[in-house]
Amino acid sequence: DSGVTQTPKHLITATGQRVTLRCSPRSGDLSVYWYQQSLDQGLQFLIQYYNGEERAKGNILERFSAQQFPDLHSELNLSSLELGDSALYFCASSVGGETEAFFGQGTRLTVV
Amino acid sequence: GQNIDQPTEMTATEGAIVQINCTYQTSGFNGLFWYQQHAGEAPTFLSYNVLDGLEEKGRFSSFLSRSKGYSYLLLKELQMKDSASYLCAVKRNNRLAFGKGNQVVVIP
Repeated sequence: DSGVTQTPKHLITATGQRVTLRCSPRSGDLSVYWYQQSLDQGLQFLIQYYNGEERAKGNILERFSAQQFPDLHSELNLSSLELGDSALYFCASSVGGETEAFFGQGTRLTVV
Repeated sequence: GQNIDQPTEMTATEGAIVQINCTYQTSGFNGLFWYQQHAGEAPTFLSYNVLDGLEEKGRFSSFLSRSKGYSYLLLKELQMKDSASYLCAVKRNNRLAFGKGNQVVVIP
């Protein structure tokens, strides 16, 4: 157990819908990262937050947004969902930006 | 992703040694991580290199050459449970960018 908690574990939803994925980082970690992993793409970096502020942005679509709250948990919002958004979404956390990141178990999103 | 290259798959026998290579673009480099990922599970941290040389952790060792943009992960005394994908990740500009991973299949 990495100490990073993601909910829900599985999510099935229809195209066009909006979902929110939640992540609670390890106790004491200030950085939260979001990644998308599909079968053919590997782990794709989406976005990083550090202590509530956006720190780095990767290949995150405009339909996706995220935030980190004062209690350091983070949410990833995915809207106008398409079939191609079906993937595993991982959250990871680290103490700062310079140390290893620990991953949650992921949310498996299936868009039908 | 982000010019991180890893071979895709290899098969090795239980008890053997296997080396997994990773090459990357050197610009903005700020550290290299190795992760293990079993299918459908979360990646788990294996090692971290920021300076040149070899880091040893039990059966796993990782090597880095910053000037060559090259790292390898060495797995010794392979066990069946080592069958997994091994991901090389480069830290650059606050982002941790992953390669597509190398699938290692351990056979009896």
